[in-house]
Amino acid sequence: KNEVEQSPQNLTAQEGEFITINCSYSVGISALHWLQQHPGGGIVSLFMLSSGKKKHGRLIATINIQEKHSSLHITASHPRDSAVYICAVRNLGNEKLTFGTGTRLTIIP
Amino acid sequence: NAGVTQTPKFQVLKTGQSMTLQCAQDMNHNSMYWYRQDPGMGLRLIYYSASEGTTDKGEVPNGYNVSRLNKREFSLRLESAAPSQTSVYFCASSLSRQNYGYTFGSGTRLTVV
Repeated sequence: KNEVEQSPQNLTAQEGEFITINCSYSVGISALHWLQQHPGGGIVSLFMLSSGKKKHGRLIATINIQEKHSSLHITASHPRDSAVYICAVRNLGNEKLTFGTGTRLTIIP
Repeated sequence: NAGVTQTPKFQVLKTGQSMTLQCAQDMNHNSMYWYRQDPGMGLRLIYYSASEGTTDKGEVPNGYNVSRLNKREFSLRLESAAPSQTSVYFCASSLSRQNYGYTFGSGTRLTVV
């Protein structure tokens, strides 16, 4: 079992829909990151969370440390949100980042 | 714009050839990293440098060497390229290994034939 599991692997939705991407992990962590990778490959850091909830524009990230679970939500989705969203956790103790395999999101106009 | 600059963006090598991937950051970050990204797998750490003058192995260091030339630059060298090293390589930096903000380069797509 991978230390970081994302679901779904692929998600296609209509423009305007509310999107949820999930991340579960099995190790103790000091922080969790959400990253965005656009076609063309560049990776951008969206959020870093150690507890609670963060919001930036139409993006919201939540984390439940007890349940070892995080979600990334996108409200009023737009075709420009089409990208791969990657969850990464920072392991307690060794500070190592472990990455999920990503969720490929496609928003259809 | 401030950030992480990687060169080249694309490279094709023949098996056995050598090459160096260059990475530079202008954010005064202490820590720098090299990752590889393969289909169906998460990014995996090849080497990292917690500070100028230090380097350490990550998960998949075999076949690679690194040099932290100065605080800005961290290069990755393939001495004798193998088809298994076909991948997309990302350089990243952070203020420190404990500081959580990461900035990634745009990636190098390497094909070894």
